[in-house]
Amino acid sequence: RKEVEQDPGPFNVPEGATVAFNCTYSNSASQSFFWYRQDCRKEPKLLMSVYSSGNEDGRFTAQLNRASQYISLLIRDSKLSDSATYLCVVEGSSNTGKLIFGQGTTLQVKP
Amino acid sequence: NAGVTQTPKFQVLKTGQSMTLQCAQDMNHEYMSWYRQDPGMGLRLIHYSVGAGITDQGEVPNGYNVSRSTTEDFPLRLLSAAPSQTSVYFCASSDRSSGDYGYTFGSGTRLTVV
Repeated sequence: RKEVEQDPGPFNVPEGATVAFNCTYSNSASQSFFWYRQDCRKEPKLLMSVYSSGNEDGRFTAQLNRASQYISLLIRDSKLSDSATYLCVVEGSSNTGKLIFGQGTTLQVKP
Repeated sequence: NAGVTQTPKFQVLKTGQSMTLQCAQDMNHEYMSWYRQDPGMGLRLIHYSVGAGITDQGEVPNGYNVSRSTTEDFPLRLLSAAPSQTSVYFCASSDRSSGDYGYTFGSGTRLTVV
């Protein structure tokens, strides 16, 4: 079983749609969680950290369920510019600095 | 601030050659890491460092060496290049003191081994 699993997609949605990505992780001792965005042939960029209480940044909402070892990202009112690959990232236990990446979920927003 | 700077951006090596991928950050970040990204594999951790003088192996360390003599620099050495090391390499750094543990990535080095 992979340490971090994501549905690779692709997700093809029209502009204005709401789309949700899910991610599961296997290490129950994991402490830090993130969503990164990666555009084609570019470096990953931090989209948002994920906190236990859930957090929102504009059209983006992240949720963490520690009991189920599950992370989600919700994008509302999708824009063409949201087209990218979204990476679920988990840090191992004890502040190790070791990030484990999911394979990424590809989103294509169409006009 | 330049952020995380990687050089070179592109490199072609012959099998058996050695080289060093450079990574430098000017943000005084404690943590630095090297990843490789292959199609269908996602990013995989090669080596990481939690501070100057401290390094450790990640998921795929074989064939690579690192050192961290300063906070700013974290070079990755390929000892004897193999075609299996053809990949995109990303260096990243993180400021642990801020409480936000997100990493900043460099723009990558695209390496081809022939």
